[in-house]
Amino acid sequence: DVKVTQSSRYLVKRTGEKVFLECVQDMDHENMFWYRQDPGLGLRLIYFSYDVKMKEKGDIPEGYSVSREKKERFSLILESASTNQTSMYLCASSFGGPNYGYTFGSGTRLTVV
Amino acid sequence: GENVEQHPSTLSVQEGDSAVIKCTYSDSASNYFPWYKQELGKGPQLIIDIRSNVGEKKDQRIAVTLNKTAKHFSLHITETQPEDSAVYFCAASKNTDKLIFGTGTRLQVFP
Repeated sequence: DVKVTQSSRYLVKRTGEKVFLECVQDMDHENMFWYRQDPGLGLRLIYFSYDVKMKEKGDIPEGYSVSREKKERFSLILESASTNQTSMYLCASSFGGPNYGYTFGSGTRLTVV
Repeated sequence: GENVEQHPSTLSVQEGDSAVIKCTYSDSASNYFPWYKQELGKGPQLIIDIRSNVGEKKDQRIAVTLNKTAKHFSLHITETQPEDSAVYFCAASKNTDKLIFGTGTRLQVFP
């Protein structure tokens, strides 16, 4: 089975800290995505990547950056965490090419205090 | 760009009844429509998908229908069971574009 692994299930960080969320997939997928999920707002795309060292902004990139140095790993970085970044963060991956569904990780619930 | 609307936001049914969740999309060029189920504490999981060259697809108790003319697609769950309780997301995309998700439907199945 395709597996997308997010390094932490729960995280608590302080305001102003630099936060790294890690995501690794094991099926040689070209595409990787970071979403945040908040009640009533569904899944909002933060950043995505179609290839190594490539990144594209999603709908809500402000306050975030990403890194993709290897095909299997896609990191989300909160440069200076703020309380409004408290959320569930979901990583996903898919094959390149047309019309492939995404495989999601189990999520990281981040609380910024 | 593409916009996907999903209704209802919450749905409660009695065990054994059917449940229907509806989505509309705005881009007539969209040609791929997956549905995801998210159980409590887990990430969304793909449960069924349909492509624009097909009008209906079934997998046991779940089915998806697509009306390209009206630009809407629906998820049908028959003989609902308590384990069907979850949040369901629809999505749409065209070709190699990223998926655009609906806002989700929380389905509760009461015994």
